[in-house]
Amino acid sequence: DTGVSQDPRHKITKRGQNVTFRCDPISEHNRLYWYRQTLGQGPEFLTYFQNEAQLEKSRLLSDRFSAERPKGSFSTLEIQRTEQGDSAMYLCASSSEDGELFFGEGSRLTVL
Amino acid sequence: AQSVTQLGSHVSVSEGALVLLRCNYSSSVPPYLFWYVQYPNQGLQLLLKYTTGATLVKGINGFEAEFKKSETSFHLTKPSAHMSDAAEYFCAVSFNDMRFGAGTRLTVKP
Repeated sequence: DTGVSQDPRHKITKRGQNVTFRCDPISEHNRLYWYRQTLGQGPEFLTYFQNEAQLEKSRLLSDRFSAERPKGSFSTLEIQRTEQGDSAMYLCASSSEDGELFFGEGSRLTVL
Repeated sequence: AQSVTQLGSHVSVSEGALVLLRCNYSSSVPPYLFWYVQYPNQGLQLLLKYTTGATLVKGINGFEAEFKKSETSFHLTKPSAHMSDAAEYFCAVSFNDMRFGAGTRLTVKP
């Protein structure tokens, strides 16, 4: 088991462009989470999947953000028409039923 | 709704001194509580967790935390700080999803 992996690790884009991040969770975990972290802050909850079902979305997740987990395995987080305020570290985590989250190393987004 | 509040965004201790990082939670149901640590340029790692049972929980690297329902607290302690403990520490509460506090940066002085 290689843990939670995220791709890409770093992404630099121009304002207005679309970006997509991928997360591969630990294989036996049925829950997958996306968080956003900015410098000096704790991770902010964005959304959560149980298998392929998206069970909860934060109000932070504007219409420009969409997440999918089509087969209940990997997940993608897409940001459309990026803004400078979207610059952050995007964290993915997975868990089994006991609730302990295992985090990936994150995807850092810089919007110029 | 569930949330956590970490008291003190920055704590500084001397090497060998007691470490105390404070966390209070709010939850409408019995919570699962966690402490995670984040070293510079690294991902979050679990230090310890409370789900049910014994209220004093021991974690990695000599850390422990005590769940006090009457005080809605889950403070993190370590008897003797080491230079390698310098990091950002996050308290979190979980029911279906996990919510994190803003973090406490621990600095250890030689």
